[in-house]
Amino acid sequence: DADVTQTPRNRITKTGKRIMLECSQTKGHDRMYWYRQDPGLGLRLIYYSFDVKDINKGEISDGYSVSRQAQAKFSLSLESAIPNQTALYFCATSDLTGEGAGELFFGEGSRLTVL
Amino acid sequence: EDQVTQSPEALRLQEGESSSLNCSYTVSGLRGLFWYRQDPGKGPEFLFTLYSAGEEKEKERLKATLTKKESFLHITAPKPEDSATYLCAVQDRTGANNLFFGTGTRLTVIP
Repeated sequence: DADVTQTPRNRITKTGKRIMLECSQTKGHDRMYWYRQDPGLGLRLIYYSFDVKDINKGEISDGYSVSRQAQAKFSLSLESAIPNQTALYFCATSDLTGEGAGELFFGEGSRLTVL
Repeated sequence: EDQVTQSPEALRLQEGESSSLNCSYTVSGLRGLFWYRQDPGKGPEFLFTLYSAGEEKEKERLKATLTKKESFLHITAPKPEDSATYLCAVQDRTGANNLFFGTGTRLTVIP
């Protein structure tokens, strides 16, 4: 089984619908991240969490919210999806300190299409 | 604001034809520079971390180097299985430990 699991892997929805993307990890890492990847723009950070009680906005948090339900679970919600949120979304985890702090472990991605 | 520029956007090589990918960066205090490999339909996979100018890291046919303004990923005698998008990212010293990614170089190695 994958260390970082994202569900769903693919989702097509309509404008205005609420969508939740879920992420669970078995690596035992405290830090979890949600990134968005668009062609020509690279990976951009949406939200991140350093532990269950800590949630921080990233570069592009508008239109998104997150919930850290447990150390191993971090979900991303789009309250009212719009077409420009069509993208590939990645969850990632990392170690807290040391050389491992910048080494991210990514899930396989959730492709979201908003019509 | 941190900036990362990768070149070229795409590179086609014959099997065995060595080359280099470039990552130019601007950051207010570099904490680390990271290289990742991303295969189609997959999440990025960590390759290397470089912390200071002059540092080099190697893994199989890949060698990453770092100067004060750029990093190179050298690919020696590539094989078709090296085909992937290679991403560069920087981490600054603001304390948040977040990475800022470039847009990647898409490498295709032709048999």
